[in-house]
Amino acid sequence: NAGVTQTPKFQVLKTGQSMTLQCAQDMNHEYMSWYRQDPGMGLRLIHYSVGAGITDQGEVPNGYNVSRSTTEDFPLRLLSAAPSQTSVYFCASSSLRQGVGTEAFFGQGTRLTVV
Amino acid sequence: AQSVTQLGSHVSVSEGALVLLRCNYSSSVPPYLFWYVQYPNQGLQLLLKYTTGATLVKGINGFEAEFKKSETSFHLTKPSAHMSDAAEYFCAVIDSGNTGKLIFGQGTTLQVKP
Repeated sequence: NAGVTQTPKFQVLKTGQSMTLQCAQDMNHEYMSWYRQDPGMGLRLIHYSVGAGITDQGEVPNGYNVSRSTTEDFPLRLLSAAPSQTSVYFCASSSLRQGVGTEAFFGQGTRLTVV
Repeated sequence: AQSVTQLGSHVSVSEGALVLLRCNYSSSVPPYLFWYVQYPNQGLQLLLKYTTGATLVKGINGFEAEFKKSETSFHLTKPSAHMSDAAEYFCAVIDSGNTGKLIFGQGTTLQVKP
């Protein structure tokens, strides 16, 4: 069982470039989400999905797009990278069928630097 | 809306000393509360959680937390710190909308001195 897999682990982008951060889970979880982690700010929710074809915005969605065409995959797209998007990004998944309060599983993170 | 506040962005203890990391929450409904740990350059790992029932929750690696509704607190403790406990710790509450959304505190970095 791989759990939650994020790629790439590291990325450097130039301002204005676009890219996609990949996230895949093999636990058949309905809920998937993307967070960014910045010093002193904890983890802030970017976008989330409660199932295939359903996505919604979190706390800091500007500059990011998501889609959920399958249960397993939840890619995060940066449309035009800005230095303010330099951060560590985490993907997480959890089961909704097991009820509220089940454990969320996190990927290892993607460290993104925008220059 | 739910929110979480962790008091103290950095906590330093000596090896063998008590660890106390503070977390207060705000919630209009009975909360589901979590503590996660993040070791350097890794993702987050669940330490323990409170959903319903017993208010003293035991987790992995000797950590425990007590849910105190009257104080809206969920502080994390460990009787004796080990060097391997050095990490960042996050308190989180689940969003009331049953969407699975976690709302995190700002995090507390635990330093353990030899």
